Amino acid sequence: DARVTQTPRHKVTEMGQEVTMRCQPILGHNTVFWYRQTMMQGLELLAYFRNRAPLDDSGMPKDRFSAEMPDATLATLKIQPSEPRDSAVYFCASGLVRGKLETQYFGPGTRLLVL
Amino acid sequence: AQKVTQAQTEISVVEKEDVTLDCVYETRDTTYYLFWYKQPPSGELVFLIRRNSFDEQNEISGRYSWNFQKSTSSFNFTITASQVVDSAVYFCALSGEGGSEKLVFGKGTKLTVNP
Repeated sequence: DARVTQTPRHKVTEMGQEVTMRCQPILGHNTVFWYRQTMMQGLELLAYFRNRAPLDDSGMPKDRFSAEMPDATLATLKIQPSEPRDSAVYFCASGLVRGKLETQYFGPGTRLLVL
Repeated sequence: AQKVTQAQTEISVVEKEDVTLDCVYETRDTTYYLFWYKQPPSGELVFLIRRNSFDEQNEISGRYSWNFQKSTSSFNFTITASQVVDSAVYFCALSGEGGSEKLVFGKGTKLTVNP
């Protein structure tokens, strides 16, 4: 049963520290998404990649957030420096896009608390 | 712009009752996709269904059924004979403009099924 995996599952850090979240998409999927979920804003798309190339990161605060895909099996989301308002659940999702929209499958999320 | 409205913030039912979760969407696209996801208390997002705009047939999967009506821009979700394990937050989502994979999510409906 193929699944998206994310590490760490929980992270508590202090303001100003760097945070790195990792995601392993489902093998064979060519599109990877990063979402953030908060009570106030709900689910927001931060960025996504197709075949490892960034397609859209307009939802991401550029000054402190960065997203990369070093290879097809790893996507990373970094926050530097972190702030209390970054506290949220960060989800990674992957999907196979072949000319039409397919389903996105979500990982279990990383619950981030910035003190 | 794409928009999804889940007007029911919270619903509480007693086990074995039927319950319908409403989803109303707005789009100017002629081709689009609609999704339902379930988020149980454990926090992961579980895919339930994907429907494209050309397929208005209702779908049934066990105790779950979906009613897609383009005339009213609605994609409602019914759980028959609800169970405690159905307690979760349910999200409706719509494909991005032009049928893109940038999903737009509703705010979610929290369903509590009491024994």
